[in-house]
Amino acid sequence: EAGVTQSPTHLIKTRGQQATLRCSPISGHTSVYWYQQALGLGLQFLLWYDEGEERNRGNFPPRFSGRQFPNYSSELNVNALELEDSALYLCASSRTITGELFFGEGSRLTVL
Amino acid sequence: GQNIDQPTEMTATEGAIVQINCTYQTSGFNGLFWYQQHAGEAPTFLSYNVLDGLEEKGRFSSFLSRSKGYSYLLLKELQMKDSASYLCAVLYNQGGKLIFGQGTELSVKP
Repeated sequence: EAGVTQSPTHLIKTRGQQATLRCSPISGHTSVYWYQQALGLGLQFLLWYDEGEERNRGNFPPRFSGRQFPNYSSELNVNALELEDSALYLCASSRTITGELFFGEGSRLTVL
Repeated sequence: GQNIDQPTEMTATEGAIVQINCTYQTSGFNGLFWYQQHAGEAPTFLSYNVLDGLEEKGRFSSFLSRSKGYSYLLLKELQMKDSASYLCAVLYNQGGKLIFGQGTELSVKP
């Protein structure tokens, strides 16, 4: 069974640009979560999607947005990039909202 | 808020036992997870507690006291490969968010 896959692995952007990160959950998982892990910090909850709907979001500005497609894959968009957006962005999926999260390897975003 | 507190770092000796503590705010609690994250890798699931008591899984055990807002992860017979960050995460039922602590960086020395 394929795990959670994320792309791209690495992404380099400059301030003010926009970044798009993609995630494919494990087959059969309908919930997708996005977390930001900045250097030296813990995982910060960004967004939760389930059955195509945004169910909850963390304390991040509106320039962080995303969506979930009918096949349950998901996209995270970050607009007007700032230097402090440089981080590892982790996507996770689960079968239910109380289930174990399975994480992808992450997309490392560097903003110059 | 939903603060989750755990020590920043710990050091232990190969073959020893180490206990990593985690405290959390109890309001809305709906389950607690422990994850392991090696440097440069994704977190991987270790354990899940929703009821009080001890859950044992091989060399790893996790304990939960819901009334005290307290959990610990116990690692026995430490091996060098256990050097990693250990993340305590609490599921809160307000919106189904899984909130992570900052992680405890464990270094296992020979």
